[in-house]
Amino acid sequence: AQSVSQHNHHVILSEAASLELGCNYSYGGTVNLFWYVQYPGQHLQLLLKYFSGDPLVKGIKGFEAEFIKSKFSFNLRKPSVQWSDTAEYFCAVQPSGYSTLTFGKGTMLLVSP
Amino acid sequence: DAGVTQSPTHLIKTRGQQVTLRCSPKSGHDTVSWYQQALGQGPQFIFQYYEEEERQRGNFPDRFSGHQFPNYSSELNVNALLLGDSALYLCASSLAFGPQETQYFGPGTRLLVL
Repeated sequence: AQSVSQHNHHVILSEAASLELGCNYSYGGTVNLFWYVQYPGQHLQLLLKYFSGDPLVKGIKGFEAEFIKSKFSFNLRKPSVQWSDTAEYFCAVQPSGYSTLTFGKGTMLLVSP
Repeated sequence: DAGVTQSPTHLIKTRGQQVTLRCSPKSGHDTVSWYQQALGQGPQFIFQYYEEEERQRGNFPDRFSGHQFPNYSSELNVNALLLGDSALYLCASSLAFGPQETQYFGPGTRLLVL
């Protein structure tokens, strides 16, 4: 069975700081990878996804993620965070050929103005 | 374009009772998945419905059951509620066998079991 590990449960940054959230997965086969975001009081939204091709994928609101197959990692990055990025971020893995998702426990990001 | 909708938004039940949660998928989607999100945790997969059949199931007991209707909407039923069933229940919809099958989530139903 697959599993997802998110390195930090809480991250606190000041506005304009750079962000990197770690995500590692465990699965022996080919996977699709996702980052979802949950803003306060809102539902889970897709931030970006990787299925194949260029391992550097760009998502909404200036976020990007890099898939490093040899490290089983899919880290999320943003060069300069804003107060409005305060939210909980979830990494998820989807074995190829299946549609169900296995999520990490999430990282709560707090950006102070 | 209507997204995924769920009802009710909140629910309070007592131990031993039964509950039914409802979900309408995003327009054009034919597959519905249900997830349980406990406080401080990521969503955990319960089961998935496609063509009115349970397509996949996660590690949840038989107390959790579901149904999908011809219009693709779905219900999640939980019998003999336990305190530990208190959680946010999320519904996600997708288009089966699409080139990049991506799940889109609804706002969830928050269930409190007393």
